[in-house]
Amino acid sequence: AQSVSQHNHHVILSEAASLELGCNYSYGGTVNLFWYVQYPGQHLQLLLKYFSGDPLVKGIKGFEAEFIKSKFSFNLRKPSVQWSDTAEYFCASSQAGGYQKVTFGTGTKLQVIP
Amino acid sequence: DADVTQTPRNRITKTGKRIMLECSQTKGHDRMYWYRQDPGLGLRLIYYSFDVKDINKGEISDGYSVSRQAQAKFSLSLESAIPNQTALYFCATSDLRSPQYFGPGTRLTVT
Repeated sequence: AQSVSQHNHHVILSEAASLELGCNYSYGGTVNLFWYVQYPGQHLQLLLKYFSGDPLVKGIKGFEAEFIKSKFSFNLRKPSVQWSDTAEYFCASSQAGGYQKVTFGTGTKLQVIP
Repeated sequence: DADVTQTPRNRITKTGKRIMLECSQTKGHDRMYWYRQDPGLGLRLIYYSFDVKDINKGEISDGYSVSRQAQAKFSLSLESAIPNQTALYFCATSDLRSPQYFGPGTRLTVT
């Protein structure tokens, strides 16, 4: 069965600091990978997705993620965080092709201090 | 995302009561999902449906049932609610080539 691991459960950063959130997935075949963000009191919104092609994926709000197949990783990065980035971030994966059952990680809470 | 709506948004119910959570979508997607979110556990899949005639159990289906009344509607029922079903419930939709789009969530409290 697929699994997704997010090793950082709670991250606290000052504004303008750089961000990297770790994500590792377990499936050995071809995968689709996603990062979702959940702002306080809101639903999950898609930040970015990887289906195929360029392993460096650009998303909304200045976020990017890099797919490294050899490491089974899809880490999320942002060069300079803002207070408004305070949210919970979820990494997710699904098997490419066929049906699309998505497995989510347990989430990383990011707190950005002004 | 207004394309996926959930009702009710908040609900408090008592142990043993039957409750239904409803989800509607206007995205035209054929696939719909129900998740529950608990602190520290992320999202766990309860049931999913790839079309009107297709219903599948997810990781944690015990104590839940679903009904896919139409392509756009997918309801989740708790036949006899218990306190450990207190959680935030999300509906999501997708099609073959898209990621999942989530509804606003239903906060359910079972006392």
